[in-house]
Amino acid sequence: GAVVSQHPSWVICKSGTSVKIECRSLDFQATTMFWYRQFPKQSLMLMATSNEGSKATYEQGVEKDKFLINHASLTLSTLTVTSAHPEDSSFYICSARDQGTAQYFGPGTRLTVT
Amino acid sequence: GENVEQHPSTLSVQEGDSAVIKCTYSDSASNYFPWYKQELGKGPQLIIDIRSNVGEKKDQRIAVTLNKTAKHFSLHITETQPEDSAVYFCAARRGSGAGSYQLTFGKGTKLSVIP
Repeated sequence: GAVVSQHPSWVICKSGTSVKIECRSLDFQATTMFWYRQFPKQSLMLMATSNEGSKATYEQGVEKDKFLINHASLTLSTLTVTSAHPEDSSFYICSARDQGTAQYFGPGTRLTVT
Repeated sequence: GENVEQHPSTLSVQEGDSAVIKCTYSDSASNYFPWYKQELGKGPQLIIDIRSNVGEKKDQRIAVTLNKTAKHFSLHITETQPEDSAVYFCAARRGSGAGSYQLTFGKGTKLSVIP
């Protein structure tokens, strides 16, 4: 099956610093990539959708200047959390959609801001 | 927009028994319905999906049924095993128009298979 990787799997950073998370589709070209945030024992919350070479579309309430998304190629998207604060601590999951209809998720990145 | 309701929120079954999780959706334009399994600390894994032109799909011990008229779809797991224990999410996506690229998720069902 299609594989989506994320790096890093977990990261601890200090308040005020920025953190970049990478998402790659390993064996397929992703026409669209998605970034989700998940709080403990809750469902996935869509943050933004990006198409290769285009600006990301952010969901209502998600600060685009804080969560920078770059979809540089058909296999790579990055999420940068800028000036991170403790409330940004969460589980971030990327997802990629192939040429068809299926959508595959990465393993997630646990971000802890101290 | 689309709204997906999922029941039950928790489900405990004895090993070897069957488990059924049900979801309803609101948008009649939705035509793609995947199911995901999420283990603790990991990303969701696509386990099965169904399109609106099909009423049932089966893959070994897992099956999904879809009733378009009633706008509900269900996941059936037979001969459950302890490794089936996880949180399962249903989702729905419309085929065209606004939001056609977005999955709307249910709130999840925590399945526990008791050995």
